[in-house]
Amino acid sequence: DIQMTQSPSSLSASLGDRVTITCRASQGISNYLAWFQQKPGKAPKSLIYDASRLQSGVPSKFSGSGSGTDFTLTISSLQPEDFGTYYCQQYYSFPWTFGQGTKVEIK
Amino acid sequence: QVQLVESGGGVVQPGRSLRLSCVASGFTFSTYGMHWVRQTPGQGLEWVAVIWYDGGNKYYADSVKGRFTISRDNSKNTLYLQLNSLRVEDTAVYYCTRGGNSIDYWGQGTLVTVSS
Repeated sequence: DIQMTQSPSSLSASLGDRVTITCRASQGISNYLAWFQQKPGKAPKSLIYDASRLQSGVPSKFSGSGSGTDFTLTISSLQPEDFGTYYCQQYYSFPWTFGQGTKVEIK
Repeated sequence: QVQLVESGGGVVQPGRSLRLSCVASGFTFSTYGMHWVRQTPGQGLEWVAVIWYDGGNKYYADSVKGRFTISRDNSKNTLYLQLNSLRVEDTAVYYCTRGGNSIDYWGQGTLVTVSS
């Protein structure tokens, strides 16, 4: 199975800050990577697919990059509604696997 | 708009069975692969199973292989997950998700609690 490792596990940032979350795959996955946002008590929401493509309706403050084994999710200017936990997930091969999550808090 | 509505969760004893359902609307169900993803309380996400748009292919996580069965009825726009031989560690919120090449929509989830 492909292991997905996110860093950091949690972060606290101020409003307006640029926030970057990294995700590393245990083997190359080309660009078959997605990012999800989850708020407490809610279902995850899809943000990005194919490493860098925004899902419909997702604001452009979110961006993704990377290919192979190393990927990043960037929030260009952190806003109050951006708190929550972010997960990366590979869909290069079954079983699909998720990172352990990065909890984003507003300082 | 795309909607996925799960049902069928509840409290069940270890070793018993349960069937989850997911009714889809707002898109052509028969043209999309569908997945189940679960989340244990306070923990991360685990992919469980996938079924091709026509039911022709199915894949499972090792943790559920041989115990869970994914199926679909395209005439009813409904996805199913049959959970047999349930274990305490199967306790989780189970999400129905739409996936072509990647997951794009999630249901609200249904909670399965396995406890004696």
